[in-house]
Amino acid sequence: ILNVEQSPQSLHVQEGDSTNFTCSFPSSNFYALHWYRWETAKSPEALFVMTLNGDEKKKGRISATLNTKEGYSYLYIKGSQPEDSATYLCAPFSGNTGKLIFGQGTTLQVKP
Amino acid sequence: DTEVTQTPKHLVMGMTNKKSLKCEQHMGHRAMYWYKQKAKKPPELMFVYSYEKLSINESVPSRFSPECPNSSLLNLHLHALQPEDSALYLCASSQEGPVGEQYFGPGTRLTVT
Repeated sequence: ILNVEQSPQSLHVQEGDSTNFTCSFPSSNFYALHWYRWETAKSPEALFVMTLNGDEKKKGRISATLNTKEGYSYLYIKGSQPEDSATYLCAPFSGNTGKLIFGQGTTLQVKP
Repeated sequence: DTEVTQTPKHLVMGMTNKKSLKCEQHMGHRAMYWYKQKAKKPPELMFVYSYEKLSINESVPSRFSPECPNSSLLNLHLHALQPEDSALYLCASSQEGPVGEQYFGPGTRLTVT
């Protein structure tokens, strides 16, 4: 069973704060890591798909890094805004099972 | 069109009813998924269809029966459900393979009484 851990479980920040959270996963048999944002009452939305060790991806104020050797990924949000409030899910692709394994998520609340 | 649609949005059914959930996408994706999501938990994979064939069944009880009539449609037939089956049912689609990002529908909120 692929064990995916995300921390922290929840986070409350003020508008304008920068924040980051972690996704850790087994480093063996790595294929890809997905990040999704899930806002309340909406569908999960893909943010990034990362495959290469050392990869860094950016979308606006959100960026992510990947370390496949040690099995972790960081998601950064610069200057958080209330609209960033959501649950952020990471999901490595399991080569053994051919499916995404979702972590429990980090729920971010940004206070204006 | 990057939308995955699901109907109905809400469904209340008794334990003896038969109902179906529907999902549709027109992005040319050949992989389609059913997930079950309970409050404060991540989506839990139920079924995967690849090129219209069932490729993954996560030991889901037979009271859930998936169907993929064509490359754009995915159904989930429900029969004799239990109250613990009440959940949000999400459909998703993607390109095949590990880098295919999944596009999710809005979900069907199912309540079994």
